[in-house]
Amino acid sequence: DGGITQSPKYLFRKEGQNVTLSCEQNLNHDAMYWYRQDPGQGLRLIYYSQIVNDFQKGDIAEGYSVSREKKESFPLTVTSAQKNPTAFYLCASSPGLAGADEQFFGPGTRLTVL
Amino acid sequence: GENVEQHPSTLSVQEGDSAVIKCTYSDSASNYFPWYKQELGKGPQLIIDIRSNVGEKKDQRIAVTLNKTAKHFSLHITETQPEDSAVYFCAASSGQAGTALIFGKGTTLSVSS
Repeated sequence: DGGITQSPKYLFRKEGQNVTLSCEQNLNHDAMYWYRQDPGQGLRLIYYSQIVNDFQKGDIAEGYSVSREKKESFPLTVTSAQKNPTAFYLCASSPGLAGADEQFFGPGTRLTVL
Repeated sequence: GENVEQHPSTLSVQEGDSAVIKCTYSDSASNYFPWYKQELGKGPQLIIDIRSNVGEKKDQRIAVTLNKTAKHFSLHITETQPEDSAVYFCAASSGQAGTALIFGKGTTLSVSS
């Protein structure tokens, strides 16, 4: 099956702890993205990557970090510096240039910080 | 940078009626306009998209229209069914290297039978 997987589906962490969300795709897509979704806020872009070993900040990158060491993987770390990390996190990928093609979304990870 | 406004935020219709969701964008360089449907607890899925070289595109019960002069585009769903109930997002992009899709805040559509 081709697609995007995110794990885990639900994640609970204590305040002050860093946490890493996994995103893997086997679609051979060049571009990958991380979005944060809050009620009534739509999808806000955290980071995106057009190629291995390169990534750009989105609109709300503060308190987050990413890496792109492999084409198929784009993990997101939510650091203790993120003031309000509880949210639904979506990973996506697209075959070509960022923004010019259909994005395929994973099922999401719901992070709750206690 | 690009800004996308989406209206209405909620929309309730009776089964069989039509539903229209409208979006405006600010960057005249934008040339790619997709619409996504998100069901509860899932990731969004593309339902239709349009590029700036066409004014209208249709796929069965859904259609999208684009007015580049006015910088707005709309999603039209005809003969709505309960399974159309979901959150719909519009987005816009210039398609330039290094850019990304900018999404509207979403419309929650409820279709009652």
